[in-house]
Amino acid sequence: DGGITQSPKYLFRKEGQNVTLSCEQNLNHDAMYWYRQDPGQGLRLIYYSQIVNDFQKGDIAEGYSVSREKKESFPLTVTSAQKNPTAFYLCASSIAVGRSYEQYFGPGTRLTVT
Amino acid sequence: AQSVAQPEDQVNVAEGNPLTVKCTYSVSGNPYLFWYVQYPNRGLQFLLKYITGDNLVKGSYGFEAEFNKSQTSFHLKKPSALVSDSALYFCAVIPPEGGGADGLTFGKGTHLIIQP
Repeated sequence: DGGITQSPKYLFRKEGQNVTLSCEQNLNHDAMYWYRQDPGQGLRLIYYSQIVNDFQKGDIAEGYSVSREKKESFPLTVTSAQKNPTAFYLCASSIAVGRSYEQYFGPGTRLTVT
Repeated sequence: AQSVAQPEDQVNVAEGNPLTVKCTYSVSGNPYLFWYVQYPNRGLQFLLKYITGDNLVKGSYGFEAEFNKSQTSFHLKKPSALVSDSALYFCAVIPPEGGGADGLTFGKGTHLIIQP
């Protein structure tokens, strides 16, 4: 069964703690992306990666970090420097680097920081 | 920088009637345009895209969208709405290669409510 998996579905953390969100895809896609979704604001790009061991900042990268050590994995770390981390986080992938390719989304992780 | 506007937070349509969800964009050059749908607490599902060619694009679940370059619009349409179409719809844009970051820029979303 191909697709994008994100775990966990719900995540709770105390303020000041770093937390890592998992994203795995078995679609053999080259490009992967992380978005943040807040109510009434749509989705905003955090980081993206076109190939292994390479990634670029998106519009709201401050307080986040990523790695791309394997083609199928693109974990996102929400650091204590992120001032408002509570949100719904979505991972996506696309078959190739070209921008005409649609992105496929995982089911999301809802992070709550108190 | 590119931007997307979805002017209606919510659209209400009676089942069986035609529906339209509006989207306008601002981007340099010829954009690539996408529509996605999101059901509660789920990821986004791709509906359709405009890259080039025919201005009327057909997609999944009977949806279609019309690209209008002069009005910089990409409205989503369906001839006959179903209750199961009720969801949150996002329009998204990305500039052609070389025009900035590779990620999509999304509108704020439009809640589509189909009333039985």
